[in-house]
Amino acid sequence: AIQMTQSPSSLSASVGDRVTITCRASQVIRNDLHWYQQRPGKAPQLLIYRASSLQSGVPSRFSGSGSGPDFTLTISNLQPEDFATYYCLQDYNFPWTFGQGTKVE
Amino acid sequence: EVQLVESGGGLIQPGGSLRLSCAASGFSVSNNFMNWVRQAPGQGLEWVSVIYTGGRTFYADSVKGRFTISRDNSKNTLYLQMNSLTAEDTAIYYCARDTMDVWGQGTTVTVSS
Repeated sequence: AIQMTQSPSSLSASVGDRVTITCRASQVIRNDLHWYQQRPGKAPQLLIYRASSLQSGVPSRFSGSGSGPDFTLTISNLQPEDFATYYCLQDYNFPWTFGQGTKVE
Repeated sequence: EVQLVESGGGLIQPGGSLRLSCAASGFSVSNNFMNWVRQAPGQGLEWVSVIYTGGRTFYADSVKGRFTISRDNSKNTLYLQMNSLTAEDTAIYYCARDTMDVWGQGTTVTVSS
């Protein structure tokens, strides 16, 4: 199975900060990489699909980049509602695999 | 409004079976590939299964041979039949559409004696 290694596992940030989260794939996954946000007690929400495409309705302060093996989620100008846990997902090969998550606190 | 609503979770003894349902509205499950994803208490997300529009299905190794994903197009509903349940299957189970752009609220499965 493809391993998705996210870093860091947690980070401390303040409102207005620029935050970068990285996901490294253990093998080639093209751009079959997506980013999700999960707030406590809530279902995850798609932020970025195909590595760099912003999901409709998601604020433009979220952006994704990379083409393998390293992918990056950037949050510019962190807002109070952005304190959450973020996950990457590869759907290039079965079994699809999530990163272990990055908690922004 | 596009929506997914899961049901069927509960407390079940080890070795038991449970069927989860995911009712869709605002779109057709037959026209989209549909997923199940789970999250154990305090843990991260784990992809469980997908069913494509043509009916092909795939599973995580941890559930292969025990879980079966299916759908009823007439009811616009996705299912997950779970057999031979163990404590490691305890989790919130979410259904999600396509590239997981729409999620349900989740249903909790607890496997315990």
